[in-house]
Amino acid sequence: NAGVMQNPRHLVRRRGQEARLRCSPMKGHSHVYWYRQLPEEGLKFMVYLQKENIIDESGMPKERFSAEFPKEGPSILRIQQVVRGDSAAYFCASSPPASTFTDTQYFGPGTRLTVL
Amino acid sequence: GIQVEQSPPDLILQEGANSTLRCNFSDSVNNLQWFHQNPWGQLINLFYIPSGTKQNGRLSATTVATERYSLLYISSSQTTDSGVYFCAGPFSGGYNKLIFGAGTRLAVHP
Repeated sequence: NAGVMQNPRHLVRRRGQEARLRCSPMKGHSHVYWYRQLPEEGLKFMVYLQKENIIDESGMPKERFSAEFPKEGPSILRIQQVVRGDSAAYFCASSPPASTFTDTQYFGPGTRLTVL
Repeated sequence: GIQVEQSPPDLILQEGANSTLRCNFSDSVNNLQWFHQNPWGQLINLFYIPSGTKQNGRLSATTVATERYSLLYISSSQTTDSGVYFCAGPFSGGYNKLIFGAGTRLAVHP
């Protein structure tokens, strides 16, 4: 059973470009979470999605960031007009559909975004 | 807001030593997870432990939910244990989003 997949693993963008990060949850999982890890810090929650729905986006910056989890295909975290402060590791996690507060989240390997 | 505090922030051990990492949290936790982030940045699930004690090989964890803390024990440490250890939990009203501590950075020397 494949784990959570993220691609690309490394992404380099110049200031002002767009970054698209993809996450395929574990098979059978319909809940996806995105977290950001700045250098030398812990992970910070960004957004929680279920298929075609954003459940909680309280951790998302108000501008330039968006996320989706379509009916078909991976979840996408999109960052428009990237700035140097967006350089970080972005992790995706998934959990099964019966989740409320009790299920373990399984993390992908992360995408390391570097903005030049 | 909810606080998750980990101690110590940094730890250096000789191979074979034992250690205890602590996680304090400021609110009721619905579950608690321990993770190991290895030097390559990969996050590995260690324990899902809302309460009680669990063991997995040289690692064990105890959560005392009523006193709002969790402990991770590493026995007979090995160089491969190096990395950062995080605790994280979803808290009441927070759906399942995890709030992470700042981590304990462990270096095990041969």
